[in-house]
Amino acid sequence: DIQMTQSPSTLSASVGDRVTITCRASQSISHYLAWYQHKPGKAPKALIARASFLESGVPPRFSGSGSGTEFTLTISSLQPDDFATYYCQQYYISPFTFGPGTTVDIK
Amino acid sequence: EVQLLESGGGLVQPGGSLRLSCAASGFTFSKYAMSWVRQAPGKGLEWVSGLNDNGGNINHADSVKGRFTISRDNSKNTLYLQMNSLRAEDTAIYYCAKGCDTSCYRSDYWGQGALVTVSS
Repeated sequence: DIQMTQSPSTLSASVGDRVTITCRASQSISHYLAWYQHKPGKAPKALIARASFLESGVPPRFSGSGSGTEFTLTISSLQPDDFATYYCQQYYISPFTFGPGTTVDIK
Repeated sequence: EVQLLESGGGLVQPGGSLRLSCAASGFTFSKYAMSWVRQAPGKGLEWVSGLNDNGGNINHADSVKGRFTISRDNSKNTLYLQMNSLRAEDTAIYYCAKGCDTSCYRSDYWGQGALVTVSS
């Protein structure tokens, strides 16, 4: 099975900060990497598809990059609505594993 | 508007069974892969099971293989998860998620979730 790791596990930041989260796969997954935002009590929300394509309706302050085994999610200017937990997921091969998550909280 | 509505969650004893349903609307259900993803209390997201558009290709996580069965009824726009031999560690919120294509398991829409509690 492909193992996904994320760093950091927790990130404390302020409104307006630039935030970067890293996701690594234990083997190459090409560009088959998605990012999601999850808030307590809510359905997860898709942010990024194919490593770097913004899902419909997602603000352009979110961006993704990478391929192979290393990927990043960047929020260019953190907004109050962005405090949440972020997960990466590989959809290259079953089981379609998630990373352990990165919680972005208020500094 | 895409809508996914899970039902069938509840409290069940260890060793028991439960069937979750997910009613889909707002898209052509028969043209998309579907998945179940869960989140145990205090834990992250875990992909559980998925199947392609016609149900001919099914995958399960090792943690549920042999105990859970995913299926779909395209005539009813409904996804199912039959859960047998339930264990305490299966306690979680179970989300139904729409795939991005016939055999693509990237989830672009998610339901609100159904809570399953396994306890005596």
